[in-house]
Amino acid sequence: EIVLTQSPATLSLSPGERATLSCRASQSVSSYLAWYQQKPGQAPRLLIYDASNRATGIPARFSGIGSGTDFTLTISSLEPEDFAVYYCQQRTNWPLTFGGGTKVDIK
Amino acid sequence: EVQLLESGGGLGQPGGSLRLSCAASGFAFINFAMTWVRQAPGKGLEWVSTVSRGGDTTYYADSVKGRFTISRDDSKNTLYLQMDSLRVDDTALYYCAKPRYCSSTNCYWSFDYWGQGTLVTVSS
Repeated sequence: EIVLTQSPATLSLSPGERATLSCRASQSVSSYLAWYQQKPGQAPRLLIYDASNRATGIPARFSGIGSGTDFTLTISSLEPEDFAVYYCQQRTNWPLTFGGGTKVDIK
Repeated sequence: EVQLLESGGGLGQPGGSLRLSCAASGFAFINFAMTWVRQAPGKGLEWVSTVSRGGDTTYYADSVKGRFTISRDDSKNTLYLQMDSLRVDDTALYYCAKPRYCSSTNCYWSFDYWGQGTLVTVSS
């Protein structure tokens, strides 16, 4: 099973600041990594697929980079609606696995 | 508009059974493999099970293998999860999810549409 480790667990930032979230895989997932955003009481929302491709309707302030075992999600300038939990997910091998999440909260 | 509507959650007894459904609309259900993902209260996301197009291939997390059965009825555009031998640690919100892309031979397993989930509570 591929284990995804997200860091930090919590990121406390102010609106307008840059957020940098990390996801590290226990073995290579090539570029087959996705990022999701989840707000309280809502289903996850796909942000980025295959490491760097924004999903439909996702604002350009969200960007992803990485390959192999190290991936980064960057939010260039936090908007109030971006404070949420973010998960990474690999689709290279079964079982599909998710990271433990990073909570971005308001400083 | 793509919609996924889960139902069938509720209170189950340890050792008991529940059957979840996910009614799909707004896309060609028959052309997509489908997946269940769960989230225990206050916890992260856990992939549970996937069924292929046509239903002939299934995948399960080790935590549910031998207890849960995924299936689909393409005539009803509906996905199912039969949950038997329930355990307290099966308590979670269960989501059905659609993969972003499926061809006749492969799917890209990132999920662009999710339902709102159905809550399963296992307790005596």
